Amino acid sequence: GQQLNQSPQSMFIQEGEDVSMNCTSSSIFNTWLWYKQEPGEGPVLLIALYKAGELTSNGRLTAQFGITRKDSFLNISASIPSDVGIYFCAGQGGSQGNLIFGKGTKLSVKP
Amino acid sequence: EPEVTQTPSHQVTQMGQEVILRCVPISNHLYFYWYRQILGQKVEFLVSFYNNEISEKSEIFDDQFSVERPDGSNFTLKIRSTKLEDSAMYFCASSLTGGPSYNSPLHFGNGTRLTVT
Repeated sequence: GQQLNQSPQSMFIQEGEDVSMNCTSSSIFNTWLWYKQEPGEGPVLLIALYKAGELTSNGRLTAQFGITRKDSFLNISASIPSDVGIYFCAGQGGSQGNLIFGKGTKLSVKP
Repeated sequence: EPEVTQTPSHQVTQMGQEVILRCVPISNHLYFYWYRQILGQKVEFLVSFYNNEISEKSEIFDDQFSVERPDGSNFTLKIRSTKLEDSAMYFCASSLTGGPSYNSPLHFGNGTRLTVT
């Protein structure tokens, strides 16, 4: 089945540093999403990507959808303590709402 | 901002018992979903629901699972006879259209933690 390989698994960074994480797949996805999950909460949508090659920003977050529709990266600039959480990439192949999630990147930010 | 609400936040049940997890999707949304997340693992799709019927279900969603929209606001997930391996966070989500199309992403609730003992 379709799988998303997300890396790194975890990151420990200093406040103010930039962060980069990525997701790859052997399958093509129509839509690529980045979610953040904090303890005890559900995933919250950060950025949605719909077109191959699309580069989208949301505040300090920037994400790009690969040209082949098989990969994406998420960058966070000038990290702050509230960026702590687990970041998931998710892809939608063709089915309604059937998102395939990556295993997540756990981000820790040291003040 | 409208949100998806789920109750209870934590449910403890004995193996073999039936449980019903409840969700109130965002009011104008038409598509509803259940996902689950076993502790420390990724979020997995269970089922999508539209127009009072299941649109798609995963292999996880076997005969022990059922979904229902009993009225105009609630969306429920029933597990008929719980097993130990059903212990997980269950997330409800909704979208305006058959998401996640442009401007119609999936919005997730905060989940129900189900513990089967």
